[in-house]
Amino acid sequence: EVQLVESGGDLVQPGRSLRLSCAVSGFTFDNYAMHWVRQAPGKGLEWVSGINWNGANIGYADSVKGRFTISRDNAKNSLYLQMNSLRAEDTALYYCIRGALGGYDHNWFDTWGQGTPVTVSS
Amino acid sequence: DIVMTQSPDSLVVSLGERAAINCKSSQSVLHSSKKKNYLAWYQQKPGQPPKVLMSWASTRESGVPDRISGSGSGTDFTLTISSLQAEDVGVYYCQQYYSIVPTFGQGTKVEIK
Repeated sequence: EVQLVESGGDLVQPGRSLRLSCAVSGFTFDNYAMHWVRQAPGKGLEWVSGINWNGANIGYADSVKGRFTISRDNAKNSLYLQMNSLRAEDTALYYCIRGALGGYDHNWFDTWGQGTPVTVSS
Repeated sequence: DIVMTQSPDSLVVSLGERAAINCKSSQSVLHSSKKKNYLAWYQQKPGQPPKVLMSWASTRESGVPDRISGSGSGTDFTLTISSLQAEDVGVYYCQQYYSIVPTFGQGTKVEIK
């Protein structure tokens, strides 16, 4: 069974950092691009970042560029999102997602985790 | 970024009736040489992550009932539920993957009358 399990979400103060993790099982991790998508409370979906199978190609939404860093460890079947200089508007449920195709771009999302909540508030 | 606009924002339909959700992109998502529309549809039920229903605008994902279909090309797309069932309640999103930055529509909430 394909599983994506996020962790690391928390309540943090503005300006602080947080690192999200996503543990993957049930498929060959290094065959797929991976992404983070977030959903603010009661709102729609926003793509945050994506990474191709070997980490050579990475993309970010403008809203997080320069503050967030995506990475992956294929040996550990894990995806990460390092979030620095957090703002109130980063408050959301963060989903770890598998891209349907190999490249990180031009991709839809075929498997979603349950999400990990991040709240940025003083 | 390509802006995706869905209509209506919400839809109340009787069981067994047809439901149609529209999605319009600010620029074409049709790849001219590949002749494919880079558009997906998702369903999100309350308290759950989204689930992909359709890719390439009209290719049904495994397990999606054939009462749900996708159509359209270029900038205008429609997701149709031919006979609404109770399990179809939720919020539906379109997503373009034509550009480097994938973007979603704002969502359409489907409820039972």
